[in-house]
Amino acid sequence: DAGVIQSPRHEVTEMGQEVTLRCKPISGHNSLFWYRQTMMRGLELLIYFNNNVPIDDSGMPEDRFSAKMPNASFSTLKIQPSEPRDSAVYFCASRIAGAPSNEQFFGPGTRLTVL
Amino acid sequence: RKEVEQDPGPFNVPEGATVAFNCTYSNSASQSFFWYRQDCRKEPKLLMSVYSSGNEDGRFTAQLNRASQYISLLIRDSKLSDSATYLCVVLMNTGFQKLVFGTGTRLLVSP
Repeated sequence: DAGVIQSPRHEVTEMGQEVTLRCKPISGHNSLFWYRQTMMRGLELLIYFNNNVPIDDSGMPEDRFSAKMPNASFSTLKIQPSEPRDSAVYFCASRIAGAPSNEQFFGPGTRLTVL
Repeated sequence: RKEVEQDPGPFNVPEGATVAFNCTYSNSASQSFFWYRQDCRKEPKLLMSVYSSGNEDGRFTAQLNRASQYISLLIRDSKLSDSATYLCVVLMNTGFQKLVFGTGTRLLVSP
């Protein structure tokens, strides 16, 4: 079975450019999460979707960040304009809402470098 | 104060050693607790849940002390393959169920 799929796996861009990260959750999962991981701050939740609807975006750093989930099998995280401090690994995760285990399944991540 | 705090390590231990990691959390209303494992340059994966009565999975034992808001993970007979970062994770209900991750404790098991 395919796990969570993310693309691209690596992205190097210059400051000011637009960056779009993509995620395909596990089929049948109705909750989707975007996280950012850095050495200093660890894994931080950016935004959470349930049944394609954004439930909590309080972790989105600022207006330069936006996320969409147009359907149950696809989500994007966009940064415009990008800045060097956005350099991090961005993970997408999915789960079945209400599942007893509460386990989240993570994608392989996108390693973003903004020069 | 961070919601979930862990010693970042690294913990350097020889094969066969027993090693313990601790974690504290700040929100007494936290509902559930987990340990995730993250290998270098990989994604986090669930290692085990932590139950109030304590639970064991092979060489791994997890304990929860709600009164002290403290979680532990014990690894017995360490293997080289146990080298990874171990993330303490707390489930909080903030209107929705949200996982809050510690920054992780790095373990290095050497021959």
